[in-house]
Amino acid sequence: DGGITQSPKYLFRKEGQNVTLSCEQNLNHDAMYWYRQDPGQGLRLIYYSQIVNDFQKGDIAEGYSVSREKKESFPLTVTSAQKNPTAFYLCASSIAAVNTGELFFGEGSRLTVL
Amino acid sequence: DAKTTQPPSMDCAEGRAANLPCNHSTISGNEYVYWYRQIHSQGPQYIIHGLKNNETNEMASLIITEDRKSSTLILPHATLRDTAVYYCIVRFNYGGSQGNLIFGKGTKLSVKP
Repeated sequence: DGGITQSPKYLFRKEGQNVTLSCEQNLNHDAMYWYRQDPGQGLRLIYYSQIVNDFQKGDIAEGYSVSREKKESFPLTVTSAQKNPTAFYLCASSIAAVNTGELFFGEGSRLTVL
Repeated sequence: DAKTTQPPSMDCAEGRAANLPCNHSTISGNEYVYWYRQIHSQGPQYIIHGLKNNETNEMASLIITEDRKSSTLILPHATLRDTAVYYCIVRFNYGGSQGNLIFGKGTKLSVKP
């Protein structure tokens, strides 16, 4: 079945370590997104990519990095520069940059920094 | 910041209609109204969207007022599985940063037996 797969579902890391979260989609979507969610809060956009080899910062990009070498993949690295990395991370995709606004989300990755 | 205002929480009896309101008084002529929902610890799920006219699909109905400053999402026969946080979002329907979805805190709907 088509969809978005995020891994790992749960991740624990020590403070100061970089962490990479995986996001893969087989929907043939052009655009992909990373959001962060803190308890009781809405989603905040970290990075988005409208096409392969191109990406833009969202509202809270500091301390994060991404790459988009393949259409299917949009990994997110949480670097040691991110001051409060513990959060629920959600990856999404949409058909095209010019789209109807329907995002398809993965199941999320919950990162806890000890 | 989100361009919408929603009540933080609502209750609904199972089998009854759930009517979730949303205020978007600063909406512009080119902005659509979108609704998503998020069941606990899962990714959000698209429900419905509209511009001016009322819309209906297999999940819900969307009623947009004539002045477009507010809207209501209607779940006609709520079930326990409809318990979730519901997000009302306004956005332009084209790419670039202006087309990104901005999620506020939403309304936590609790469907009770």
